[in-house]
Amino acid sequence: DTEVTQTPKHLVMGMTNKKSLKCEQHMGHRAMYWYKQKAKKPPELMFVYSYEKLSINESVPSRFSPECPNSSLLNLHLHALQPEDSALYLCASSQVIGVGNQPQHFGDGTRLSIL
Amino acid sequence: AQSVSQHNHHVILSEAASLELGCNYSYGGTVNLFWYVQYPGQHLQLLLKYFSGDPLVKGIKGFEAEFIKSKFSFNLRKPSVQWSDTAEYFCAVNAGDSSYKLIFGSGTRLLVRP
Repeated sequence: DTEVTQTPKHLVMGMTNKKSLKCEQHMGHRAMYWYKQKAKKPPELMFVYSYEKLSINESVPSRFSPECPNSSLLNLHLHALQPEDSALYLCASSQVIGVGNQPQHFGDGTRLSIL
Repeated sequence: AQSVSQHNHHVILSEAASLELGCNYSYGGTVNLFWYVQYPGQHLQLLLKYFSGDPLVKGIKGFEAEFIKSKFSFNLRKPSVQWSDTAEYFCAVNAGDSSYKLIFGSGTRLLVRP
């Protein structure tokens, strides 16, 4: 079992809906990440949080809005998504950002389908 | 820009066969290298990692990888595969000033026939 827990496992939503993905880890990690993985493709980084602050936004559209309420939780708020946003969304964590402090531990992901 | 290439997209082996999956990266500086595995319906799991030191790295489940700096390669090997090794394997690199970022290869789907 993974030490990074993501909910829900599956989500179907319409383009006008607002929903949130949740991620939780209790390993004391201070870096948390959101990735997007399309079918048969590798994960692509979306956001990085370090010590609860957004450090990196990989030019992600504003319809994706991350939030880190505390050191254990990471949310991804979704609004007005497009069908091409259908994908597996992965959360990961690592001790801290930086060379030598990988590896990242991944959750099972949320499989998102946009109707 | 940094990139990672996995040339074998699909590999089919019989049980007990030896495995070698290729991984090449493009970056001239210091790198950290990883192999992740994704079993069907499961999360990405770390198989092994290389930060420094001995270029031959041993990981879990009998896997190993060799870092060859001159070839910019980090190939994954296993002497004798099992049916349970059926999965997708991703090579990943963490390099340079983008030290927060894991760059993944496109993955190799391995099917082991019993």
